[in-house]
Amino acid sequence: DSGVTQTPKHLITATGQRVTLRCSPRSGDLSVYWYQQSLDQGLQFLIQYYNGEERAKGNILERFSAQQFPDLHSELNLSSLELGDSALYFCASSWGTGNYGYTFGSGTRLTVV
Amino acid sequence: QQQVKQSPQSLIVQKGGISIINCAYENTAFDYFPWYQQFPGKGPALLIAIRPDVSEKKEGRFTISFNKSAKQFSLHIMDSQPGDSATYFCAASRSGETSGSRLTFGEGTQLTVNP
Repeated sequence: DSGVTQTPKHLITATGQRVTLRCSPRSGDLSVYWYQQSLDQGLQFLIQYYNGEERAKGNILERFSAQQFPDLHSELNLSSLELGDSALYFCASSWGTGNYGYTFGSGTRLTVV
Repeated sequence: QQQVKQSPQSLIVQKGGISIINCAYENTAFDYFPWYQQFPGKGPALLIAIRPDVSEKKEGRFTISFNKSAKQFSLHIMDSQPGDSATYFCAASRSGETSGSRLTFGEGTQLTVNP
């Protein structure tokens, strides 16, 4: 167990729907990162939050949004889902916002049908 | 310029052999180079990392070799074991207040160690 908790582990939903993925970081970690892993794109950085504030943004679609709450857990919201959004979504956490080793969760596997 | 190129895509070695995975990067601002190991159904786990002020770092059977001038780095797994069979990702990151600490990952290498 890495200490980073992601729920749900699996999610199957229809095109056009909206889902929320949840992440609880490791105890003491202030940064939360979201990554998308797909067969054709590999591991792609989506967004980073540090202590409740957005810190860095990657190739995150406008249909996707995230936030980090005062208790430091984070949610990734995916809307108007398309077949191509099917992927593994990983959350990771670290203590600070510099170059530290991340700790990844086990991911949420999203299948859009 | 943000890409990290990884090779080979797949690698098969015999137990006890040496596994070598290579990565190349373009962005000279990168200053942190970790390797991650991922087993099926799990998230990537940090294996070993290096910064460009050293040319080599060793932790147990795992060694990173770093060539700053060539903008290349590699992972060597000595005495490879069947339990090492996994997907390995190299990555790179750069410091800076505005950049956060996003990782740019290579494409991954599927390593199979035969008994």
